[in-house]
Amino acid sequence: ETGVTQSPTHLIKTRGQQVTLRCSSQSGHNTVSWYQQALGQGPQFIFQYYREEENGRGNFPPRFSGLQFPNYSSELNVNALELDDSALYLCASSLGGRGGDEQFFGPGTRLTVL
Amino acid sequence: GQSLEQPSEVTAVEGAIVQINCTYQTSGFYGLSWYQQHDGGAPTFLSYNALDGLEETGRFSSFLSRSDSYGYLLLQELQMKDSASYFCAVRDGNAGNMLTFGGGTRLMVKP
Repeated sequence: ETGVTQSPTHLIKTRGQQVTLRCSSQSGHNTVSWYQQALGQGPQFIFQYYREEENGRGNFPPRFSGLQFPNYSSELNVNALELDDSALYLCASSLGGRGGDEQFFGPGTRLTVL
Repeated sequence: GQSLEQPSEVTAVEGAIVQINCTYQTSGFYGLSWYQQHDGGAPTFLSYNALDGLEETGRFSSFLSRSDSYGYLLLQELQMKDSASYFCAVRDGNAGNMLTFGGGTRLMVKP
């Protein structure tokens, strides 16, 4: 069984640029959630995708957008990058639309915005 | 909205027992989860309580009191490898089943 994978592992961008982060969910999981984790803080929910539809969104501006593909992999896109977007971006997969009881996290993408 | 409170740091010695408390405020509460995260690693699931009471999984136990909006994670027979950050998280069914995490408790286990 393949676990959750994310790419790239590290990324450096400058303010105003756009970035796309990728996530492959664990085999058999149809729900992907994305989180932003600043240093020393807990993960903050960005949004969740269930069967290719957005299934909930946290308090993030529209420049954070996402996609889920038929194979349940997912992308997180961030436009017009700001310095405060520097963080660890985690995706987590789970089974079913609930996506809450047990989520399996990927290793994350460390984004640095200069 | 949702909010969770947990202590920022706890220190204990090997072999001891430690309890990490979590209080929460949320609408549409479905359950309380606990995750462990080692430095540089991904959060890993430890436990989930939807109903009042104690859930035991090996050295770790988790408790929930819905009426008190309170839960705790109990770690027994502490080992050095238990040094990590521990997060409580609530699932809110009224908000797309999103998970809201607390700020985390950094546990340091000393010899």
